[in-house]
Amino acid sequence: DAGVTQSPTHLIKTRGQQVTLRCSPKSGHDTVSWYQQALGQGPQFIFQYYEEEERQRGNFPDRFSGHQFPNYSSELNVNALLLGDSALYLCASSLGRGSYNSPLHFGNGTRLTVT
Amino acid sequence: LAKTTQPISMDSYEGQEVNITCSHNNIATNDYITWYQQFPSQGPRFIIQGYKTKVTNEVASLFIPADRKSSTLSLPRVSLSDTAVYYCLVGDMDQAGTALIFGKGTTLSVSS
Repeated sequence: DAGVTQSPTHLIKTRGQQVTLRCSPKSGHDTVSWYQQALGQGPQFIFQYYEEEERQRGNFPDRFSGHQFPNYSSELNVNALLLGDSALYLCASSLGRGSYNSPLHFGNGTRLTVT
Repeated sequence: LAKTTQPISMDSYEGQEVNITCSHNNIATNDYITWYQQFPSQGPRFIIQGYKTKVTNEVASLFIPADRKSSTLSLPRVSLSDTAVYYCLVGDMDQAGTALIFGKGTTLSVSS
């Protein structure tokens, strides 16, 4: 039973460029959440997708957008990259938006470096 | 959203029991408590979850007093491989609940 898989594992981009990160949820899960984790900090919630719609959003600018596909996989897009966007981007899946007895399952993330 | 407060760091030796306490004074009736463990360059991993009293699984125990304003994660006989960051979170039990918010966590260092 595959867990959460993310691609790519590492990525180097230049300021101003755009990037797309991908996530396949754990089998049986229908909800995907994205988090940004800067070095030495806890994961910061970006947004959550359920039924192909963005259901909740954290305090991130519109440069951060996403999509969920019918097979529950998801993409995170970041436009106009800034140096401050360098971080580990984590995808987490759950059943039913992460309620009790359905904890988040995380992938190992995509390490994005913006130069 | 209920905010959590944890110690920034803790040190222990192999074979000792480690207790990490989390404060969540504003926890709501519908909130549950979840603990995650994170190793460097990996995603957080679910450890244990509870609503009240005591929950135990194969890796840890979670103690929640009656007022639920705090919780304690207990790791029995830690080993070097338990060196990690531990996060305490509170979340809504409702199916349409709010997203889990992470704090800075507690960095546990286990020495031999």
